[in-house]
Order: sequence, then C-alpha cells, then structure tokens
Amino acid sequence: NAGVTQTPKFRILKIGQSMTLQCTQDMNHNYMYWYRQDPGMGLKLIYYSVGAGITDKGEVPNGYNVSRSTTEDFPLRLELAAPSQTSVYFCASINTGSSYNEQFFGPGTRLTVL
Amino acid sequence: SQKIEQNSEALNIQEGKTATLTCNYTNYSPAYLQWYRQDPGRGPVFLLLIRENEKEKRKERLKVTFDTTLKQSLFHITASQPADSATYLCALNAGNMLTFGGGTRLMVKP
Repeated sequence: NAGVTQTPKFRILKIGQSMTLQCTQDMNHNYMYWYRQDPGMGLKLIYYSVGAGITDKGEVPNGYNVSRSTTEDFPLRLELAAPSQTSVYFCASINTGSSYNEQFFGPGTRLTVL
Repeated sequence: SQKIEQNSEALNIQEGKTATLTCNYTNYSPAYLQWYRQDPGRGPVFLLLIRENEKEKRKERLKVTFDTTLKQSLFHITASQPADSATYLCALNAGNMLTFGGGTRLMVKP
C-alpha cells in the first residue's frame, strides 16, 4: 500500500490564481480530512468527508472547496489564492474499523502565495 | 471557548532521562485522546490512543495518562534517545473530527 499520497509537494501561486491539491488513499478508508499547518502551529481542519458524496466544513473552510466522488480521492480546491493561504496542507484518512481511530497522514503540500 | 494547550516552548533533555509532555484542554468532553509524532517536513504519525475510561496506556518506552477531572494528558518517553527528537501533538476527538494542540518540540541531547 502507498498509503496517503499528495501532489504536488511544493507550489508557488500568485494572488488570485487557483489550484487543486490532490489527495489519494489506497487503504479503502471512508473518512478523509484536509488540514493546514502554519509555522510553529498545530493542525487546523479545513474540510472532511465521511464517504463518497459527503463533505462537511471544518474549523477554517473559507477560501476552499472540496469534492469526494470516489472513496480514494479527496481533492482540495483553492479558487482565488490569497497570501493568508500560504501554509503546509496535509491530507489524512482514518481506518474506522480500527480500535485506535488513528489518522494516516500524507507527506504534505507546501504552498506559497505571493 | 474550546482550547487545547501544549507547551509551545521546546523541551530540552539529556539522553537517558524521561521526557514528560503536557496536554491541557478546556470545554471538551472527548471520548478519547491521541498522541502523534511529527518530524520536520513530514506528516504526523500516530503513536497512542487513550480512552476517557482509561487512566494509563503504555507502548514500549511510551506512557500516556489521561485525567478527565483535571482535563489533562501527560505523555512520557522513558530512557529518551536523540532519535526521539521531534514535535509531539495531542489530539482530541469531537464527533467525526480530531482537534489538535499546537505541539511541543522535544530535543534529546546526547
């Protein structure tokens, strides 16, 4: 299993540009999450999904959109990039069949908006 | 308001000593609490889960305690090694979501 994969690893955007951060998991997990992590800070939840076709807002959803058409993929869309969206973005999934409910994280996408 | 607090200052200890990290929370009633390790440039990795009805959990050199009255969890690494140097995050469940603390950076010196 590759686990949770994210692309791209790095990206620089200009203000007002848009992009999609890709996230794929091959563990057949139903629950998937998008977080952002600012320097020296913890993770803040942007959006999450409990299954294909179902998404919900987290703590900091403004400026982002998500979709979940398959179990494997959970892309995050930035429509009008702003400097405040400069951050590291992590995708994660949960094995709800495990007694530990541990989240498996991808390697992250480092985004800079100039 | 809800808060999860971890010591934002780095914890520096000597190899072989026990490291103790603290996670305090307010206005949560979590069914469980988790601890994760994060290395620079990488995503967090799950370490341990402790449930609200458990006082203590152990895994190899790791020990976690959970006091729902004090609203506090302590994370211990015994016989610490330089390889234990990392940032450690606590996380509380809230329904389908996890809420993370800001993390504490641990530095173990040889």
